[in-house]
Amino acid sequence: GNSVTQMEGPVTLSEEAFLTINCTYTATGYPSLFWYVQYPGEGLQLLLKATKADDKGSNKGFEATYRKETTSFHLEKGSVQVSDSAVYFCALRTGGGNKLTFGTGTQLKVEL
Amino acid sequence: GAVVSQHPSWVICKSGTSVKIECRSLDFQATTMFWYRQFPKQSLMLMATSNEGSKATYEQGVEKDKFLINHASLTLSTLTVTSAHPEDSSFYICSASGTSASTSTDTQYFGPGTRLTVL
Repeated sequence: GNSVTQMEGPVTLSEEAFLTINCTYTATGYPSLFWYVQYPGEGLQLLLKATKADDKGSNKGFEATYRKETTSFHLEKGSVQVSDSAVYFCALRTGGGNKLTFGTGTQLKVEL
Repeated sequence: GAVVSQHPSWVICKSGTSVKIECRSLDFQATTMFWYRQFPKQSLMLMATSNEGSKATYEQGVEKDKFLINHASLTLSTLTVTSAHPEDSSFYICSASGTSASTSTDTQYFGPGTRLTVL
């Protein structure tokens, strides 16, 4: 079956630090990969996605590259801000449907 | 655009009672809605998928007689937890997908979730 593994949080960084949140997956077929972000009190929002190997998704300074050889989709940002504090979920989707398989989420705390 | 709301945001009920949670797409027509359950420090687990006007499709291990899902219109789906017990306490999240000027059918738009506590 499909599964997504994320690094446990919370991750605490100082403002302007470099961020990496690791995500690896197990899937049948060729999945599409996603990062969702959940700000306090809000619903999950799509942050970025990649649909095939070597694709790079990017949005709001965040990037993730679909690495088929290592089955990974690590999230990175060069300089985090306090406003980036949130919970980040890695997810995958296989087949033609719209069903998502999520990781456990990683809480990011950015301090001044 | 693409806003999904849930009501209530939190609810406390006594064991044995039923609780209804509403999920609304505010600015688009949701042809498909999804219901998830999330336990602390665990991932979102898909409970069921519903298409407007059709019966919901439940994931393996989810009791359809306990978690009643109705998707009677293109903007509203409800989840009713019947005869709730303390083990049903959880965070319930809905999402919706559909077409509009600001949405695409292959993207799910999520509500903020409902915290259910059963005493």
